[in-house]
Amino acid sequence: GENVEQHPSTLSVQEGDSAVIKCTYSDSASNYFPWYKQELGKRPQLIIDIRSNVGEKKDQRIAVTLNKTAKHFSLHITETQPEDSAVYFCAATGNTPLVFGKGTRLSVIA
Amino acid sequence: KAGVTQTPRYLIKTRGQQVTLSCSPISGHRSVSWYQQTPGQGLQFLFEYFSETQRNKGNFPGRFSGRQFSNSRSEMNVSTLELGDSALYLCASSLGIVTDTQYFGPGTRLTVL
Repeated sequence: GENVEQHPSTLSVQEGDSAVIKCTYSDSASNYFPWYKQELGKRPQLIIDIRSNVGEKKDQRIAVTLNKTAKHFSLHITETQPEDSAVYFCAATGNTPLVFGKGTRLSVIA
Repeated sequence: KAGVTQTPRYLIKTRGQQVTLSCSPISGHRSVSWYQQTPGQGLQFLFEYFSETQRNKGNFPGRFSGRQFSNSRSEMNVSTLELGDSALYLCASSLGIVTDTQYFGPGTRLTVL
């Protein structure tokens, strides 16, 4: 079955800097890759997703890139702000239930 | 549209008891998935229901079960509770296929003493 590895597990950045979180997956049949943000005590919320027919997708300060050959995808957050502090989860699916990475705790230091 | 709702939000049980959790999906969504979230293991898939049928099941013991009703509302049940079942249980709803976006509920925090 699918296996998703996520790195790093924790990440601290200065406000205004960029943050990058990387995930690798194992199942070449996977074709949908969402990213969720979970603030303390709240539900996971979708922030961006990408499907395998595109290599990059942007939404304001957030972008996701996908390399299907290498089976990895990354989340890029530019101009980080304190409200970006949260746990971020990547996930992958194709024909199987969504499989999540173990999460990255991002701390943005003002 | 109203979001995914879960009840109750908090539960405290003792070992050996059983518990039932409820999830109401977004109107029009026919698929409900359940996840167990713990600090060490992240989000682990329990099972998924679509049109009242279990479509997929994760690697959890038979003490964990679920069902879905004709209005797409879903329940999960855990029998003979163990200390290790303490976790946040999240449900997520989607339109229907596995690559549809999943929207999460607020979760039920279960504590087993």
